[in-house]
Amino acid sequence: NAGVTQTPKFQVLKTGQSMTLQCAQDMNHNSMYWYRQDPGMGLRLIYYSASEGTTDKGEVPNGYNVSRLNKREFSLRLESAAPSQTSVYFCASSVILGQGVEKLFFGSGTQLSVL
Amino acid sequence: QKEVEQDPGPLSVPEGAIVSLNCTYSNSAFQYFMWYRQYSRKGPELLMYTYSSGNKEDGRFTAQVDKSSKYISLFIRDSQPSDSATYLCAMIQGFQKLVFGTGTRLLVSP
Repeated sequence: NAGVTQTPKFQVLKTGQSMTLQCAQDMNHNSMYWYRQDPGMGLRLIYYSASEGTTDKGEVPNGYNVSRLNKREFSLRLESAAPSQTSVYFCASSVILGQGVEKLFFGSGTQLSVL
Repeated sequence: QKEVEQDPGPLSVPEGAIVSLNCTYSNSAFQYFMWYRQYSRKGPELLMYTYSSGNKEDGRFTAQVDKSSKYISLFIRDSQPSDSATYLCAMIQGFQKLVFGTGTRLLVSP
């Protein structure tokens, strides 16, 4: 049971460089998410995708783009990395438990440092 | 002011102690309340969720909600070293609108 798989696990970038974080889930979930986690700030939603072919902005979308490649894969791109984007990034997918409650399944995270 | 407030800890307790983890919130629109557990260098995983005020029990874990005070708690009985993790409260305002607390780090010593 792989669940949600993120690559890479660690990355160091220089300011201005670009990169794509990859995420794939094997649970046949419709919804997928990208969060960032910073000390003292908690988990903040960057973008989400309710279904294949749709994406929407979350709380902190500036500086990021996403692609929902197919039902399994949801990638996050940093076009021109900035030190403020140093963070731990989590991809998640979700299933509806009922009564509007969603259970999120998270990957293990990508630790990104921008110098 | 953040919508969800949570003491970051760390909270250090001896094995076997009863642990109380808490969150306060300001938004009356929150409908469901969840607790996620996050081990070091891992993603969060759902522990429990509840809707109404009152208690919900699952093994050693009890989730409590007091909507009148805008206060939720997670109690852990007979705490174990394996319970050492960061506990995140989360609140649902609507579909795909989940607000997380910053997390409380719990350390249970043998």
